[in-house]
Amino acid sequence: GAGVSQSPSNKVTEKGKDVELRCDPISGHTALYWYRQSLGQGLEFLIYFQGNSAPDKSGLPSDRFSAERTGGSVSTLTIQRTQQEDSAVYLCASSLWGPSLAGGPNEQFFGPGTRLTVL
Amino acid sequence: RKEVEQDPGPFNVPEGATVAFNCTYSNSASQSFFWYRQDCRKEPKLLMSVYSSGNEDGRFTAQLNRASQYISLLIRDSKLSDSATYLCVVLGLRGNQFYFGTGTSLTVIP
Repeated sequence: GAGVSQSPSNKVTEKGKDVELRCDPISGHTALYWYRQSLGQGLEFLIYFQGNSAPDKSGLPSDRFSAERTGGSVSTLTIQRTQQEDSAVYLCASSLWGPSLAGGPNEQFFGPGTRLTVL
Repeated sequence: RKEVEQDPGPFNVPEGATVAFNCTYSNSASQSFFWYRQDCRKEPKLLMSVYSSGNEDGRFTAQLNRASQYISLLIRDSKLSDSATYLCVVLGLRGNQFYFGTGTSLTVIP
């Protein structure tokens, strides 16, 4: 079946512009995560959605970052007034269940990522 | 202190060699641990979960040492196709956050 898809695959923008990144999770997956990965760095957690619960936004680096998940499926990560330090690969992942269910199927399936370059 | 720390390597080993990676985690109460594999410019993919008693999947063996707060990954009989970055992942206490290490780079040489 279809995996996690993300669009666009590459985005080049100018400093100060807003960008929207899209994630289509695997159908039926209740949990959705956003991460970013900078060159030579590990994955940095940004935000987590679980079903209809309020999202865990604790990883968002500033109020320029926001995300929403409509209808429990597609998610959009928005970065306002982009800065050069926002340049990174933004990865979305989904899992059947959330990670708090011990022993549950919480394997994360990652999308191919969006490579964001802020000039 | 970072939640998860790994030796970035690189590890360059000949085909057929055995190689081991360690990863330390900071929170002694962490419960769930994983190894992911990430190929160059690709997304991470789950390699294996790490269970308390240790577990094996073919040439791959994962171990958990709670007393010393580290997990390990052992790869036997290395293949060229094992060349990748191996990410250590720990589920945070809040149960929502997965903490990823920066990864250990492995290159298997013919």
